[in-house]
Amino acid sequence: DSGVTQTPKHLITATGQRVTLRCSPRSGDLSVYWYQQSLDQGLQFLIQYYNGEERAKGNILERFSAQQFPDLHSELNLSSLELGDSALYFCASSVAAGGRGYTQYFGPGTRLTVL
Amino acid sequence: GQQLNQSPQSMFIQEGEDVSMNCTSSSIFNTWLWYKQDPGEGPVLLIALYKAGELTSNGRLTAQFGITRKDSFLNISASIPSDVGIYFCAGNGNKLVFGAGTILRVKS
Repeated sequence: DSGVTQTPKHLITATGQRVTLRCSPRSGDLSVYWYQQSLDQGLQFLIQYYNGEERAKGNILERFSAQQFPDLHSELNLSSLELGDSALYFCASSVAAGGRGYTQYFGPGTRLTVL
Repeated sequence: GQQLNQSPQSMFIQEGEDVSMNCTSSSIFNTWLWYKQDPGEGPVLLIALYKAGELTSNGRLTAQFGITRKDSFLNISASIPSDVGIYFCAGNGNKLVFGAGTILRVKS
């Protein structure tokens, strides 16, 4: 158990809908990262937050957004969902945003299925 | 941008065999991390390397941070069936970059 929690574990929805994925980082970790992993694909970095502020952006679509709240949990919002958005979405957390603090610990993921 | 080349892409293991995989980059990294991912699960951190030349073991796993800071390898000794999965390397320069993964399968 990495200490990173994600909810829900599974999510099934229809095209055009909007969903929210939730992540709670490890106790003491200030940085949260979101990744997308499609079938048989590697990890695609979406976005990073550090202590409530957006720190880095990867291949995140405009239909997707995220935020990190004062209690450091984070939410990833996916809207106008398309079939191709079906994937595993992982959250990871780290103590800080540089040096040894970059060591990321992953949550169990949310499997999103868009029908 | 920074990219990692991870090889091999996939390999078959027979129980008891030693396994080796590596990652190389054109950029210098300050940290190398190795993760293992089982199907449908999140990547689990296996070994973290923070210093050039560092050699670290975790049970049957051994990883090294290359002297040039541009490469790292992971060895698994005396493989067992539960070693199957996907292994990812990740390097940190100014951000964490992941390799494409090495898929370990069992030889039938």
